[in-house]
Amino acid sequence: DQQVKQNSPSLSVQEGRISILNCDYTNSMFDYFLWYKKYPAEGPTFLISISSIKDKNEDGRFTVFLNKSAKHLSLHIVPSQPGDSAVYFCAALSLIQGAQKLVFGQGTRLTINP
Amino acid sequence: ETGVTQSPTHLIKTRGQQVTLRCSSQSGHNTVSWYQQALGQGPQFIFQYYREEENGRGNFPPRFSGLQFPNYSSELNVNALELDDSALYLCASSPGTVEAFFGQGTRLTVV
Repeated sequence: DQQVKQNSPSLSVQEGRISILNCDYTNSMFDYFLWYKKYPAEGPTFLISISSIKDKNEDGRFTVFLNKSAKHLSLHIVPSQPGDSAVYFCAALSLIQGAQKLVFGQGTRLTINP
Repeated sequence: ETGVTQSPTHLIKTRGQQVTLRCSSQSGHNTVSWYQQALGQGPQFIFQYYREEENGRGNFPPRFSGLQFPNYSSELNVNALELDDSALYLCASSPGTVEAFFGQGTRLTVV
């Protein structure tokens, strides 16, 4: 039962353009959504989050949009830079037996081309 | 302020053996979670510890167990290793906020 899905395993974008990464979820009870970035041989690094009561959160080049009716969120990176090349994970925060559990998507590998 | 550190970085074990993975949480973080990331997948929640007590568990069998110590460092123990246990094991600590901060992971290979 995949509650969080990233349907694009990979995405290639030209440097300076906008990168849009998408994520869909099935559980309407999720309270927060987060995006993590992962380089090879490193752990995931937190990028940006959004509360389920908001529809947009912006931090520098990164903006996350949440569409609750469609159970869809997206991460926009503009302008894209070569250092943005990494695997991006969408995650939803779920409460289980009092614990805060992150439910991750499968990841999207973003490649920024010069 | 030091980040989350995990040891060892790589490990090879034989099927049926037992393994202990270690995690040193970020300073001031009283919550630690463990995740398993199989190749090509997102991390899967194993369990979480808060103030030395397990307070939530994912869909993993009892041969996956853990400990959290008074200094908030943590261990993940896996008994009776199976080939499918081969994965990247990630530790994440949190100060009780939404964000979790991950270590670099331990790559476990079971042969």
